[in-house]
Amino acid sequence: KQEVTQIPAALSVPEGENLVLNCSFTDSAIYNLQWFRQDPGKGLTSLLLIQSSQREQTSGRLNASLDKSSGRSTLYIAASQPGDSATYLCAVFSSGSARQLTFGSGTQLTVLP
Amino acid sequence: NAGVTQTPKFRILKIGQSMTLQCAQDMNHNYMYWYRQDPGMGLKLIYYSVGAGITDKGEVPNGYNVSRSTTEDFPLRLELAAPSQTSVYFCASSHGTGGHGYTFGSGTRLTVV
Repeated sequence: KQEVTQIPAALSVPEGENLVLNCSFTDSAIYNLQWFRQDPGKGLTSLLLIQSSQREQTSGRLNASLDKSSGRSTLYIAASQPGDSATYLCAVFSSGSARQLTFGSGTQLTVLP
Repeated sequence: NAGVTQTPKFRILKIGQSMTLQCAQDMNHNYMYWYRQDPGMGLKLIYYSVGAGITDKGEVPNGYNVSRSTTEDFPLRLELAAPSQTSVYFCASSHGTGGHGYTFGSGTRLTVV
């Protein structure tokens, strides 16, 4: 059974810092990996999707990497801003029989002005 | 605005009561999903549907029922509510499978007392 772990559970940084969020998964037979953003009282918004054959994806100040063999992904946020404060969820779509998204528990990020 | 609409946004139920969480999407997506999110945890799949008339169990289906009579609607029924069903419920839809292109609703916060 696929399990997804995110470390740290919470992170607080001053504005302008670069930061890294970590995600690990137990079964490397994945189809893709996604990073989502969740704001309080809102649904999830997809930030980046990395296919299993890719190593990284970039969108603006966000860069996500994938190392399928070691079961790890990182989300790098450059020059953080208070508007980046949210919970970031990692999810993997497994390529086995259970072809569903499996979510990590998230990292709650606070960027202090 | 196009998207996934969930109602109600908040609800308090007494133990043993029943209710239906509504979910509607106007994007003509074939795939629809119900997730629950407990505090500090990731999302867990309750039920999903690959098209009208077709539903299947996810990871945590006990205590819930679903139906999919139309492409647009995917209601989630709670029978005999229990405190363990206190959670935030998210409905999502996608055009196809493959783990990408998910659109999430804003959630229903349910408390069972």
